[in-house]
Amino acid sequence: AQKITQTQPGMFVQEKEAVTLDCTYDTSDQSYGLFWYKQPSSGEMIFLIYQGSYDEQNATEGRYSLNFQKARKSANLVISASQLGDSAMYFCAMRGGSEKLVFGKGTKLTVNP
Amino acid sequence: DAGITQSPRHKVTETGTPVTLRCHQTENHRYMYWYRQDPGHGLRLIHYSYGVKDTDKGEVSDGYSVSRSKTEDFLLTLESATSSQTSVYFCAIRPGREAGYTFGSGTRLTVV
Repeated sequence: AQKITQTQPGMFVQEKEAVTLDCTYDTSDQSYGLFWYKQPSSGEMIFLIYQGSYDEQNATEGRYSLNFQKARKSANLVISASQLGDSAMYFCAMRGGSEKLVFGKGTKLTVNP
Repeated sequence: DAGITQSPRHKVTETGTPVTLRCHQTENHRYMYWYRQDPGHGLRLIHYSYGVKDTDKGEVSDGYSVSRSKTEDFLLTLESATSSQTSVYFCAIRPGREAGYTFGSGTRLTVV
């Protein structure tokens, strides 16, 4: 069975600072994918970044990077130079061999001016 | 745009009535998913489909059924709606194995 754990219900960060959102996962699959999504207050689900289990380098997309530590089963999202528009819910998700995409409960990020 | 639409966007229904939500894609992707989102629970998988007439259960499938008679449409049916099924329902498609899943705009369902 797949499980995603996000232990931070809420996080606060000052504008222009970096922030790390934690995600740990559990799976017995050898091949899997890890995803991060952003959900602003408007409700849409926005894909941010993907990391494959066999990827040797950490994924990066603009100000987003995924700190992938396979042995620790962690896939933390790092947002550099936070902006007010980054205030949102952030969800970590995993797809395993069954092709099901399973989500964590999310972290609410608030960026303060 | 994303090529995925959900209908209706909002619905209020009475307890005990059947309800069908529709997810339509224009991109011919094989995999389609239905999720529900409730405060404190994130998104939970209800059912998913890996092809026409091929479906499987997710973690919260009780009280829900699905059908996929065409590649482009994935229907979610609440046979007899209950108040516990009040939620926001999202449909998603998987464009590729290493690509981000694309989500619809959601359907807000209220069962009174």
